[in-house]
Amino acid sequence: DAGVTQSPTHLIKTRGQQVTLRCSPKSGHDTVSWYQQALGQGPQFIFQYYEEEERQRGNFPDRFSGHQFPNYSSELNVNALLLGDSALYLCASSLLAGSDTQYFGPGTRLTVL
Amino acid sequence: RKEVEQDPGPFNVPEGATVAFNCTYSNSASQSFFWYRQDCRKEPKLLMSVYSSGNEDGRFTAQLNRASQYISLLIRDSKLSDSATYLCVVNYAGNNRKLIWGLGTSLAVNP
Repeated sequence: DAGVTQSPTHLIKTRGQQVTLRCSPKSGHDTVSWYQQALGQGPQFIFQYYEEEERQRGNFPDRFSGHQFPNYSSELNVNALLLGDSALYLCASSLLAGSDTQYFGPGTRLTVL
Repeated sequence: RKEVEQDPGPFNVPEGATVAFNCTYSNSASQSFFWYRQDCRKEPKLLMSVYSSGNEDGRFTAQLNRASQYISLLIRDSKLSDSATYLCVVNYAGNNRKLIWGLGTSLAVNP
């Protein structure tokens, strides 16, 4: 039973560029949430996808967008990268109708130079 | 006031010690509570859910106090491998169901 997978594991970009991060949820899960975790901070909720729609969103600008595919996998897109976007981006999967427990992928470490 | 607050530590304890972490939350409508563990440069992993009646898993005990709006985590007989950051997480149910995370409490267990 595969857990949550994310790609790539590491990424280096420059200011102004665009990036796409990918996530495959745990088998059987239908909901994907994305978090940003800066060094020394707790994860900050970006948004959550269910049934290919954004269900709720945290306090992040429109530069952050996402998508969920019919197979429940998801992408996080960030446009016009800023230095402050450097962080660990975590994907978590869950079952909407189930418990609140979320399972995390290993994350993608994004460095913006 | 932050929605979820934790003492960032670090807590430095010797092996075998008992250590307790507290976490306060501001929204009385919160319905689910969790402790996650995060090792350096790794993803958070669920340690335990926190139930109203309190729950225990081996050396770990979690308690919830709704009246005072805090949860606690007690670790007995600390092991070197317990060294990590412990994150308190609160879920607000309903239409805005999402996880709110504390900043984490850093624990270092020393030989």
